[in-house]
Amino acid sequence: GAGVSQSPSNKVTEKGKDVELRCDPISGHTALYWYRQSLGQGLEFLIYFQGNSAPDKSGLPSDRFSAERTGGSVSTLTIQRTQQEDSAVYLCASSENRGAPETQYFGPGTRLLVL
Amino acid sequence: GNSVTQMEGPVTLSEEAFLTINCTYTATGYPSLFWYVQYPGEGLQLLLKATKADDKGSNKGFEATYRKETTSFHLEKGSVQVSDSAVYFCALSDRSTDKLIFGTGTRLQVFP
Repeated sequence: GAGVSQSPSNKVTEKGKDVELRCDPISGHTALYWYRQSLGQGLEFLIYFQGNSAPDKSGLPSDRFSAERTGGSVSTLTIQRTQQEDSAVYLCASSENRGAPETQYFGPGTRLLVL
Repeated sequence: GNSVTQMEGPVTLSEEAFLTINCTYTATGYPSLFWYVQYPGEGLQLLLKATKADDKGSNKGFEATYRKETTSFHLEKGSVQVSDSAVYFCALSDRSTDKLIFGTGTRLQVFP
């Protein structure tokens, strides 16, 4: 596609349920990033993929959060046993290669609300 | 660790007013600095960047200068327009990983 796409655009879930958020990066982009945008917290880095491997997972807030990337393309962020504080907009970005952070292209985000 | 601090909003201005949004950073080494903009209902977009001390980034009438001595990267525009209404994020990149570290964002509202 022309840009980074994310699905779903909105997700409402009940506390304790698991959710999966999907990111489709720009074709050919090897680097993929997940960020979280929370009220009062700004934008926080979660995890970075180079190809299918994740050399930097330092931003994942707890072991309830995990992410994978397959085929060097689509990535899925999974949140298990969701809590209300997980409510946020989850943003995905991709770039052609590592080494050029200014070329991270952001998707529109998935807005998650945990009731 | 690395961090970015930017002024809280909202910043409310009349059209054609002068804009300054302050941003300061804490970092080891020499990060690259960025301003991103998020227009209503749209994704985050890079507005401008500077990669070394004294560099000036500019785009769409916005400017910011990388000031190492004051660890600042303030965003300025001489004459704002209603269409500039958005949330502005200051950010730095961690050179070892390329991840972006963002400030909390500043909402700008411009009224005609």
